[in-house]
Amino acid sequence: DVVMTQSPLSLPVTLGQPASISCRSSQSLVYSDGNTYLNWIQQRPGQSPRRLIYKVSNRDSGVPDRFSGSGSGTDFTLKISRVEAEDVGVYYCMQGTHWPGTFGQGTKLEIK
Amino acid sequence: EVHLVESGGGLVQPGGSLRLSCAASGITFSSFWMAWVRQAPGKGLEWVANIKQDGSERYYVDSVKGRFTISRDNAKNSLYLQMNSLRVEDTAVYFCARGRGGDWGQGTLVTVSS
Repeated sequence: DVVMTQSPLSLPVTLGQPASISCRSSQSLVYSDGNTYLNWIQQRPGQSPRRLIYKVSNRDSGVPDRFSGSGSGTDFTLKISRVEAEDVGVYYCMQGTHWPGTFGQGTKLEIK
Repeated sequence: EVHLVESGGGLVQPGGSLRLSCAASGITFSSFWMAWVRQAPGKGLEWVANIKQDGSERYYVDSVKGRFTISRDNAKNSLYLQMNSLRVEDTAVYFCARGRGGDWGQGTLVTVSS
């Protein structure tokens, strides 16, 4: 199975400051159809997961534009331009190119 | 609005069986791959299994192969997970998810303990 490695695993951030999470896959996530199925998933405390970003850089409906995704091949990044209190939670990268899907370990974002 | 509602969780002894269900609404269920994802207490997310639109392809994480079976009934807009030979390490909240994680249910707790 594809191994997804995130860093950092803990991310204390001051309100209004930017944040960045890195994700690396053990093999290329480019699918035979040319798409790269790398998603970013947010899980707020006590809530179900929610997808923020799909296919590397596409924001899901209702996701604030302070969230952005980038990357290619095996290296990907989630950036939050200005962290708000509602962003507290755990962020996972997830690959859907090679079944079964796999998740990174999760990055816990907290407010300093 | 998409709704995925899981049911069927509960307490079961090691070696026992349980069948989870997920009722979908607000989507054309038959058009999407569907998946089960679990989260052990205090741990991260783990992909368990997924199934193609017509059920012709199914994939499982190694730890559940031969014990769990994913299935679907497109006429009932429902997804299922039959779990046999349950182990203590299968204890988790089990989420139903659309496609590659596009929508998620609220989860159902499975506890395997004697």
